[in-house]
Amino acid sequence: DVKVTQSSRYLVKRTGEKVFLECVQDMDHENMFWYRQDPGLGLRLIYFSYDVKMKEKGDIPEGYSVSREKKERFSLILESASTNQTSMYLCASSFGGGGENTEAFFGQGTRLTVV
Amino acid sequence: GENVEQHPSTLSVQEGDSAVIKCTYSDSASNYFPWYKQELGKRPQLIIDIRSNVGEKKDQRIAVTLNKTAKHFSLHITETQPEDSAVYFCAAHSGYSTLTFGKGTMLLVSP
Repeated sequence: DVKVTQSSRYLVKRTGEKVFLECVQDMDHENMFWYRQDPGLGLRLIYFSYDVKMKEKGDIPEGYSVSREKKERFSLILESASTNQTSMYLCASSFGGGGENTEAFFGQGTRLTVV
Repeated sequence: GENVEQHPSTLSVQEGDSAVIKCTYSDSASNYFPWYKQELGKRPQLIIDIRSNVGEKKDQRIAVTLNKTAKHFSLHITETQPEDSAVYFCAAHSGYSTLTFGKGTMLLVSP
């Protein structure tokens, strides 16, 4: 059973703080993703990675960076948190081999509030 | 990049009725179209998917149809039950292995 685990379920941070959101998957998936989910806007892709040390910008990368030093771990970094980054953050992973697109498995989400 | 439109944003049905959610996509190269269900407070989970070489796929009470020419695909749920109440997201593959999601449909099934 695939497990994608995010380090925190709820997080409250102050404006200007540097924030780290951690995600770990246990299925040796090549692809990992960070999405943010806001009411009425669906899931929007922030960054993704298809291999260790590789990263690609998604649709809304401004104000975020990522790190993937190990295959199983993908970190999202808010360099200087702002109130408009208050949101639900979802990590996901998928198998990337063979060139065929496959199911993405999601973590439980981190509800981040920036005050 | 890919753009996915999803309608309706909310859908209310009576138990036992059918529900249909429709999505359109923009990138004709997209070839994988999953549907995710997200119950309140839980993570999205895949319920059915379809690839571009197939026109229809069925799994018990749920089915998905794909029209590549028109670039739209639909989710059909028959004999709806209260436990089908959730937010449903369609998605389309776009580049590498990324998925672009629609904005979601909140389905409410009343007993």
